[in-house]
Amino acid sequence: QQPVQSPQAVILREGEDAVINCSSSKALYSVHWYRQKHGEAPVFLMILLKGGEQKGHDKISASFNEKKQQSSLYLTASQLSYSGTYFCGTGVNTGNQFYFGTGTSLTVIP
Amino acid sequence: DGGITQSPKYLFRKEGQNVTLSCEQNLNHDAMYWYRQDPGQGLRLIYYSQIVNDFQKGDIAEGYSVSREKKESFPLTVTSAQKNPTAFYLCASLLGEVDTGELFFGEGSRLTVL
Repeated sequence: QQPVQSPQAVILREGEDAVINCSSSKALYSVHWYRQKHGEAPVFLMILLKGGEQKGHDKISASFNEKKQQSSLYLTASQLSYSGTYFCGTGVNTGNQFYFGTGTSLTVIP
Repeated sequence: DGGITQSPKYLFRKEGQNVTLSCEQNLNHDAMYWYRQDPGQGLRLIYYSQIVNDFQKGDIAEGYSVSREKKESFPLTVTSAQKNPTAFYLCASLLGEVDTGELFFGEGSRLTVL
């Protein structure tokens, strides 16, 4: 059930860009993105709905290709505060189940 | 302030003991969830509840039990049948529908079995 993310981990210097991918073997109705700082709870970043609409959050944006059952998160001009683990997530609306992806650890260094 | 409160934040347990993790929300959300997180790994769904007096197993429900007697409360019991219970446990509630809404999380409970 769990979506697969890639890469598993990435290290960036401040100002560099990164892309995190999320792929599901099941149909995606929507894709959520969350960020978790070390030792804290995940925090909602954004949601993408069917239709490929791209939504942004400051310098973080995402895309959703429902045909390919994939989503990508784009982090532009990364800042130290972007460090954390990023999770994609998807709901199964036949029962209100919500599954998270395998996670991507992102570390931004000065 | 509205939110989700989990307690205790840290818990130590001896092998063979049952422990109950508390999760309370005052957001008036219907659906609630329990996830388990192991170091460096993702969040795995243990149980979820859509409404009061209803709950469903997630992918890793074995060794866990829950109840949902009140809308605000969704406690998780880690039983002695759970073979490897040391983990970080997160409770969440859902604002809206699962495919268009947003999950809100508590601060988590870290369980260590000695």
